[in-house]
Amino acid sequence: QKEVEQDPGPLSVPEGAIVSLNCTYSNSAFQYFMWYRQYSRKGPELLMYTYSSGNKEDGRFTAQVDKSSKYISLFIRDSQPSDSATYLCACSPGGTSYGKLTFGQGTILTVHP
Amino acid sequence: NAGVTQTPKFRVLKTGQSMTLLCAQDMNHEYMYWYRQDPGMGLRLIHYSVGEGTTAKGEVPDGYNVSRLKKQNFLLGLESAAPSQTSVYFCASRTDRDPGLAGGPIYNEQFFGPGTRLTVL
Repeated sequence: QKEVEQDPGPLSVPEGAIVSLNCTYSNSAFQYFMWYRQYSRKGPELLMYTYSSGNKEDGRFTAQVDKSSKYISLFIRDSQPSDSATYLCACSPGGTSYGKLTFGQGTILTVHP
Repeated sequence: NAGVTQTPKFRVLKTGQSMTLLCAQDMNHEYMYWYRQDPGMGLRLIHYSVGEGTTAKGEVPDGYNVSRLKKQNFLLGLESAAPSQTSVYFCASRTDRDPGLAGGPIYNEQFFGPGTRLTVL
Protein backbone atom coordinates (compact mmCIF):
# COMPACT_ATOMS: atom_id res chain seq x y z
CA GLN A 1 0.00 0.00 0.00
CA LYS A 2 1.30 3.42 -0.95
CA GLU A 3 2.06 5.91 1.82
CA VAL A 4 -0.04 8.52 0.01
CA GLU A 5 -3.21 7.46 -1.78
CA GLN A 6 -5.05 9.66 -4.25
CA ASP A 7 -8.05 8.88 -6.42
CA PRO A 8 -6.70 9.17 -9.98
CA GLY A 9 -10.11 10.11 -11.42
CA PRO A 10 -10.40 11.28 -14.10
CA LEU A 11 -12.71 14.04 -12.92
CA SER A 12 -14.76 16.09 -15.38
CA VAL A 13 -16.78 19.11 -14.23
CA PRO A 14 -18.57 22.06 -15.86
CA GLU A 15 -17.09 25.53 -15.65
CA GLY A 16 -18.05 27.25 -12.40
CA ALA A 17 -18.32 24.04 -10.39
CA ILE A 18 -16.69 23.49 -7.01
CA VAL A 19 -14.04 20.80 -7.24
CA SER A 20 -12.89 18.65 -4.33
CA LEU A 21 -9.66 16.68 -4.60
CA ASN A 22 -8.58 14.37 -1.80
CA CYS A 23 -5.69 12.28 -0.53
CA THR A 24 -5.10 10.05 2.44
CA TYR A 25 -1.74 9.20 3.95
CA SER A 26 -0.41 6.68 6.43
CA ASN A 27 2.88 8.12 7.73
CA SER A 28 2.33 10.03 10.98
CA ALA A 29 5.70 11.76 10.55
CA PHE A 30 4.43 13.89 7.65
CA GLN A 31 4.25 17.57 8.60
CA TYR A 32 4.13 19.37 5.23
CA PHE A 33 1.34 18.80 2.75
CA MET A 34 1.60 20.11 -0.77
CA TRP A 35 -0.52 20.34 -3.86
CA TYR A 36 1.29 20.44 -7.18
CA ARG A 37 -0.41 21.24 -10.49
CA GLN A 38 0.86 19.68 -13.68
CA TYR A 39 -0.30 20.79 -17.10
CA SER A 40 -0.11 18.35 -19.97
CA ARG A 41 3.47 17.56 -21.01
CA LYS A 42 4.91 19.95 -18.40
CA GLY A 43 6.66 19.56 -15.08
CA PRO A 44 4.72 19.89 -11.80
CA GLU A 45 4.50 23.31 -10.17
CA LEU A 46 3.74 24.00 -6.53
CA LEU A 47 0.21 25.33 -6.08
CA MET A 48 -0.09 25.47 -2.30
CA TYR A 49 1.28 23.97 0.85
CA THR A 50 0.09 23.59 4.44
CA TYR A 51 2.11 22.98 7.54
CA SER A 52 0.48 20.60 10.03
CA SER A 53 -3.32 20.66 10.38
CA GLY A 54 -5.52 23.51 9.27
CA ASN A 55 -6.76 25.45 6.29
CA LYS A 56 -5.03 27.71 3.83
CA GLU A 57 -6.72 29.84 1.21
CA ASP A 58 -5.26 31.39 -1.93
CA GLY A 59 -7.78 32.98 -4.24
CA ARG A 60 -10.10 30.28 -5.56
CA PHE A 61 -8.05 27.51 -3.95
CA THR A 62 -8.34 26.17 -0.39
CA ALA A 63 -6.14 23.45 1.08
CA GLN A 64 -7.21 21.54 4.17
CA VAL A 65 -5.30 19.07 6.30
CA ASP A 66 -6.76 16.92 9.06
CA LYS A 67 -3.88 15.11 10.71
CA SER A 68 -6.18 13.23 13.08
CA SER A 69 -7.74 11.40 10.13
CA LYS A 70 -4.69 11.69 7.85
CA TYR A 71 -6.78 13.39 5.19
CA ILE A 72 -5.73 16.10 2.73
CA SER A 73 -8.10 18.11 0.55
CA LEU A 74 -7.92 20.76 -2.14
CA PHE A 75 -11.02 22.74 -3.05
CA ILE A 76 -11.30 24.80 -6.21
CA ARG A 77 -14.13 27.33 -6.34
CA ASP A 78 -15.58 28.72 -9.57
CA SER A 79 -13.50 26.28 -11.61
CA GLN A 80 -12.20 27.48 -14.97
CA PRO A 81 -11.12 25.60 -18.11
CA SER A 82 -7.59 26.82 -17.33
CA ASP A 83 -7.72 24.69 -14.16
CA SER A 84 -7.71 21.55 -16.34
CA ALA A 85 -4.57 19.70 -15.27
CA THR A 86 -3.31 16.84 -13.15
CA TYR A 87 -3.26 17.65 -9.43
CA LEU A 88 -0.75 15.84 -7.28
CA CYS A 89 -0.76 15.78 -3.51
CA ALA A 90 2.59 15.34 -1.80
CA CYS A 91 3.76 14.96 1.79
CA SER A 92 7.04 15.50 3.58
CA PRO A 93 8.20 14.98 7.15
CA GLY A 94 10.44 18.04 6.93
CA GLY A 95 13.36 18.25 9.34
CA THR A 96 16.30 16.07 8.25
CA SER A 97 14.49 14.38 5.35
CA TYR A 98 16.39 16.45 2.75
CA GLY A 99 13.16 17.75 1.32
CA LYS A 100 12.07 14.37 0.01
CA LEU A 101 8.46 14.19 -1.08
CA THR A 102 6.03 11.29 -1.26
CA PHE A 103 3.45 11.83 -3.99
CA GLY A 104 -0.04 10.53 -4.53
CA GLN A 105 -1.01 9.07 -7.88
CA GLY A 106 -2.39 12.37 -9.19
CA THR A 107 -5.96 13.27 -10.21
CA ILE A 108 -6.69 14.31 -13.79
CA LEU A 109 -9.17 17.21 -13.80
CA THR A 110 -10.99 18.53 -16.85
CA VAL A 111 -13.16 21.65 -16.60
CA HIS A 112 -15.32 22.01 -19.69
CA PRO A 113 -16.88 25.31 -20.81
CA ASN B 1 17.12 32.38 -15.01
CA ALA B 2 16.38 29.16 -16.89
CA GLY B 3 15.45 27.32 -13.68
CA VAL B 4 15.72 23.55 -14.15
CA THR B 5 16.46 22.24 -17.62
CA GLN B 6 16.57 18.67 -18.88
CA THR B 7 18.12 17.13 -21.97
CA PRO B 8 17.05 15.41 -24.07
CA LYS B 9 13.30 16.06 -24.24
CA PHE B 10 12.54 12.77 -26.01
CA ARG B 11 14.46 9.58 -26.63
CA VAL B 12 13.75 6.13 -28.01
CA LEU B 13 16.10 3.31 -27.02
CA LYS B 14 16.33 -0.35 -27.83
CA THR B 15 16.50 -2.88 -25.01
CA GLY B 16 20.05 -3.14 -23.73
CA GLN B 17 21.19 0.28 -24.91
CA SER B 18 22.56 2.83 -22.49
CA MET B 19 21.98 6.54 -22.13
CA THR B 20 22.44 9.49 -19.79
CA LEU B 21 19.85 12.10 -18.92
CA LEU B 22 21.19 15.50 -17.95
CA CYS B 23 19.61 17.88 -15.46
CA ALA B 24 20.94 21.38 -14.93
CA GLN B 25 19.83 24.10 -12.51
CA ASP B 26 20.96 27.70 -12.21
CA MET B 27 19.45 28.48 -8.79
CA ASN B 28 22.50 27.35 -6.76
CA HIS B 29 20.40 24.67 -5.07
CA GLU B 30 22.08 22.02 -2.95
CA TYR B 31 19.40 19.35 -3.28
CA MET B 32 18.55 17.65 -6.55
CA TYR B 33 16.21 14.76 -7.33
CA TRP B 34 15.32 12.37 -10.13
CA TYR B 35 11.75 11.05 -10.41
CA ARG B 36 9.90 8.86 -12.83
CA GLN B 37 6.21 9.32 -13.60
CA ASP B 38 4.06 6.44 -14.80
CA PRO B 39 0.28 6.34 -15.35
CA GLY B 40 -1.55 5.63 -12.11
CA MET B 41 1.68 5.70 -10.08
CA GLY B 42 2.34 9.37 -9.52
CA LEU B 43 5.92 10.55 -9.15
CA ARG B 44 8.39 8.11 -7.62
CA LEU B 45 11.83 9.11 -6.39
CA ILE B 46 14.70 7.28 -8.12
CA HIS B 47 17.82 8.91 -6.62
CA TYR B 48 18.64 12.19 -4.97
CA SER B 49 21.65 14.28 -4.04
CA VAL B 50 22.16 16.62 -1.09
CA GLY B 51 25.25 18.28 -2.48
CA GLU B 52 28.10 18.08 -4.96
CA GLY B 53 29.71 14.65 -4.89
CA THR B 54 26.86 12.99 -2.95
CA THR B 55 24.10 10.65 -4.10
CA ALA B 56 21.52 8.49 -2.34
CA LYS B 57 18.89 5.93 -3.32
CA GLY B 58 15.22 6.78 -3.44
CA GLU B 59 12.17 4.56 -3.70
CA VAL B 60 12.91 2.91 -7.09
CA PRO B 61 16.71 3.00 -7.70
CA ASP B 62 17.24 -0.36 -9.42
CA GLY B 63 18.54 -0.13 -12.98
CA TYR B 64 19.69 3.48 -12.61
CA ASN B 65 22.90 5.22 -11.60
CA VAL B 66 23.51 8.88 -10.87
CA SER B 67 26.37 11.31 -10.49
CA ARG B 68 26.68 14.86 -9.14
CA LEU B 69 30.17 15.98 -10.14
CA LYS B 70 29.15 19.63 -10.32
CA LYS B 71 26.66 21.37 -8.05
CA GLN B 72 24.53 22.56 -10.94
CA ASN B 73 24.29 19.20 -12.74
CA PHE B 74 22.70 15.87 -11.83
CA LEU B 75 23.04 13.00 -14.30
CA LEU B 76 20.83 9.93 -14.48
CA GLY B 77 22.23 6.89 -16.28
CA LEU B 78 20.62 3.78 -17.63
CA GLU B 79 23.33 1.18 -18.26
CA SER B 80 21.15 -1.45 -19.96
CA ALA B 81 17.70 -0.10 -20.74
CA ALA B 82 14.63 -2.31 -20.28
CA PRO B 83 11.05 -1.78 -21.50
CA SER B 84 10.00 -1.35 -17.84
CA GLN B 85 12.02 1.88 -17.84
CA THR B 86 9.71 3.45 -20.40
CA SER B 87 8.51 6.51 -18.51
CA VAL B 88 8.62 10.27 -18.18
CA TYR B 89 11.60 11.38 -16.10
CA PHE B 90 11.59 14.58 -14.08
CA CYS B 91 14.43 16.32 -12.37
CA ALA B 92 13.89 18.74 -9.50
CA SER B 93 16.02 20.96 -7.28
CA ARG B 94 15.57 22.68 -3.94
CA THR B 95 17.41 24.86 -1.52
CA ASP B 96 18.84 23.13 1.55
CA ARG B 97 17.45 25.72 3.95
CA ASP B 98 15.08 24.08 6.41
CA PRO B 99 13.35 25.04 9.64
CA GLY B 100 15.41 22.31 11.31
CA LEU B 101 14.43 19.47 13.55
CA ALA B 102 11.83 21.53 15.35
CA GLY B 103 9.86 22.02 12.15
CA GLY B 104 8.12 25.21 11.19
CA PRO B 105 5.61 26.67 8.77
CA ILE B 106 8.06 27.57 6.01
CA TYR B 107 8.34 25.09 3.18
CA ASN B 108 10.95 25.33 0.46
CA GLU B 109 9.49 23.96 -2.71
CA GLN B 110 11.05 21.65 -5.24
CA PHE B 111 11.35 23.18 -8.70
CA PHE B 112 10.81 20.73 -11.54
CA GLY B 113 12.21 20.53 -15.03
CA PRO B 114 10.04 19.96 -18.13
CA GLY B 115 10.68 16.21 -18.26
CA THR B 116 12.25 13.66 -20.60
CA ARG B 117 9.98 11.16 -22.36
CA LEU B 118 11.85 7.87 -22.73
CA THR B 119 10.59 4.87 -24.67
CA VAL B 120 12.47 1.57 -24.52
CA LEU B 121 11.53 -0.87 -27.27
